[in-house]
Amino acid sequence: DGGITQSPKYLFRKEGQNVTLSCEQNLNHDAMYWYRQDPGQGLRLIYYSQIVNDFQKGDIAEGYSVSREKKESFPLTVTSAQKNPTAFYLCASSRQDSEKLFFGSGTQLSVL
Amino acid sequence: GQSLEQPSEVTAVEGAIVQINCTYQTSGFYGLSWYQQHDGGAPTFLSYNALDGLEETGRFSSFLSRSDSYGYLLLQELQMKDSASYFCAVSSGSARQLTFGSGTQLTVLP
Repeated sequence: DGGITQSPKYLFRKEGQNVTLSCEQNLNHDAMYWYRQDPGQGLRLIYYSQIVNDFQKGDIAEGYSVSREKKESFPLTVTSAQKNPTAFYLCASSRQDSEKLFFGSGTQLSVL
Repeated sequence: GQSLEQPSEVTAVEGAIVQINCTYQTSGFYGLSWYQQHDGGAPTFLSYNALDGLEETGRFSSFLSRSDSYGYLLLQELQMKDSASYFCAVSSGSARQLTFGSGTQLTVLP
């Protein structure tokens, strides 16, 4: 079955620690996205990538970093510079120039 | 920048019809999308409107008026499983990235 997989489902971060969230898709989609969702709020775009080895900042990129070395993979690192990282993180993919995003099941990140 | 407004909560009974409105302000507008998200789950795509008018997909319909910067999602024959959050999203900019509204929590009562 084709789909988009995020791991882990739950993640805990200690003060000053960097953590990496995994996102893998086998839909052969060119575009991939990372969104952050806070309780009772909408999704805010962190980073997006339209092609391998290229990515762009979204609305709230500070304190985050990404890489796109393979078409299938778009990991997100939450760095120690992100002072309020507790949130639900959603990865998505789509065909180029399509508004139909396919989302993973999300990672809930909490701070210890 | 972009801004979207949609009601925070809507309540309706099973079998009824409900309309969720969305107004937006953006530059470089391409279209308006709707997504459904159940508690703790992943958002799923419902519809996309690039042109003015009504698009129908089963019990769900979506409408867009570009001149009014306004759209709505219409849900008919409501079922308990329709209880979820519904997000409108505008695509804009050179990369057509989506900007989401804050969501409307729909509660369907028996």
